[in-house]
Amino acid sequence: GAVVSQHPSWVICKSGTSVKIECRSLDFQATTMFWYRQFPKQSLMLMATSNEGSKATYEQGVEKDKFLINHASLTLSTLTVTSAHPEDSSFYICSARVTAANSYNEQFFGPGTRLTVL
Amino acid sequence: GIQVEQSPPDLILQEGANSTLRCNFSDSVNNLQWFHQNPWGQLINLFYIPSGTKQNGRLSATTVATERYSLLYISSSQTTDSGVYFCAVAPAAGNKLTFGGGTRVLVKP
Repeated sequence: GAVVSQHPSWVICKSGTSVKIECRSLDFQATTMFWYRQFPKQSLMLMATSNEGSKATYEQGVEKDKFLINHASLTLSTLTVTSAHPEDSSFYICSARVTAANSYNEQFFGPGTRLTVL
Repeated sequence: GIQVEQSPPDLILQEGANSTLRCNFSDSVNNLQWFHQNPWGQLINLFYIPSGTKQNGRLSATTVATERYSLLYISSSQTTDSGVYFCAVAPAAGNKLTFGGGTRVLVKP
């Protein structure tokens, strides 16, 4: 299967600082990547769709100025949490969509980044 | 948007037992995926199955798209099968996945 990496795997930061998370598709090109957020013992919630070479589209209720997304190449999308606060502490997971004929639209997920804001 | 419901929410199994997990969805889909989330949070792709039946070792899955449900079968369960199983679907006209609430499975030795 396709491999997606994320970096860092965990980060602790002070309130008010910004944190950047990288998502890379290692063995395929991904024109579309997705960012999810997961709180403890809950399901995954889609935050935004990251499109290579264009602006990201955000789900309702997600602040685009708070969560900056850049998809500058076919293998890299970044999520920057700006002016982080304790309520932004969560598990952030990215995915990349493949477009092969036998698995059109299948998504593969990164290992996640655990963010703790003090 | 599309609704996804999984049942049961929790499942406790004795090692060696078989089980069936269910995923109901509210609209036509072009993608249905089953995942296993391990204790470290990694989502492992189990099946890409918008329709039909697939098998992979002790796991198999069936999606009946016309009736809007999918089933995941675990046979001869092992303690390593413990974790949360998620079903996620994308509607026929889109590519965004909506996740169900998950089934938390605990396999006891």
